[in-house]
Amino acid sequence: EVQLVESGGGLVKPGGSLRLSCAASGFTFSSYSMNWVRQAPGKGLEWVSSISSSSSYIYYADSVKGRFTISRDNAKNSLYLQMNSLRAEDTAVYYCAREAQPVDYWGQGTLVTVSS
Amino acid sequence: EIVMTQSPATLSVSPGERATLSCRASQSVSSNLAWYQQKPGQAPRLLIYGASTRATGIPARFSGSGSGTEFTLTISSLQSEDFAVYYCQQYNNWPRGTFGQGTKLEIK
Repeated sequence: EVQLVESGGGLVKPGGSLRLSCAASGFTFSSYSMNWVRQAPGKGLEWVSSISSSSSYIYYADSVKGRFTISRDNAKNSLYLQMNSLRAEDTAVYYCAREAQPVDYWGQGTLVTVSS
Repeated sequence: EIVMTQSPATLSVSPGERATLSCRASQSVSSNLAWYQQKPGQAPRLLIYGASTRATGIPARFSGSGSGTEFTLTISSLQSEDFAVYYCQQYNNWPRGTFGQGTKLEIK
């Protein structure tokens, strides 16, 4: 069974940093591209970032480019999102999602709240 | 950026009736269109990909159609568990897959 479990969310002040993690199991992690997708409270879904299976290709939404860094460790079956210079508008549930064109599995999400 | 527009924003339907949800792309996405279902407090679940192929374990009452810029999700006979928010997503412009704003399917 495919499982994606996010962690690392919490309350952070504007300008602060946070690192999200996603632990994957139930599939060959190193064979799949992975994504972060977020959802602001009461709002729709927004793609944030993608990373290819070997980390050769990395993409970001314009809204987070230069502030967020996606990475992965295939030996640990883990995906990460380093978030710096956080803003109030980054407040959202962040989902780790497996890419199969389209996304076929999602984690349960971790809430990031940016507030003073 | 490809903009996805869903209609209506809210759809009220009685259990047992048919529901038809629409999704329009601002430019052609071929058949690279997916539908997701999201219930409160839960992650989205993939229903349809390739515009018309049901994902694993999805009941036959869910069907998708369309290509290019116009797409439809039909739920043939609504069950109580089907009341949720539905999102379409284009993945033709991978990885910048854009989502529609969602259609809330509520009980009439």
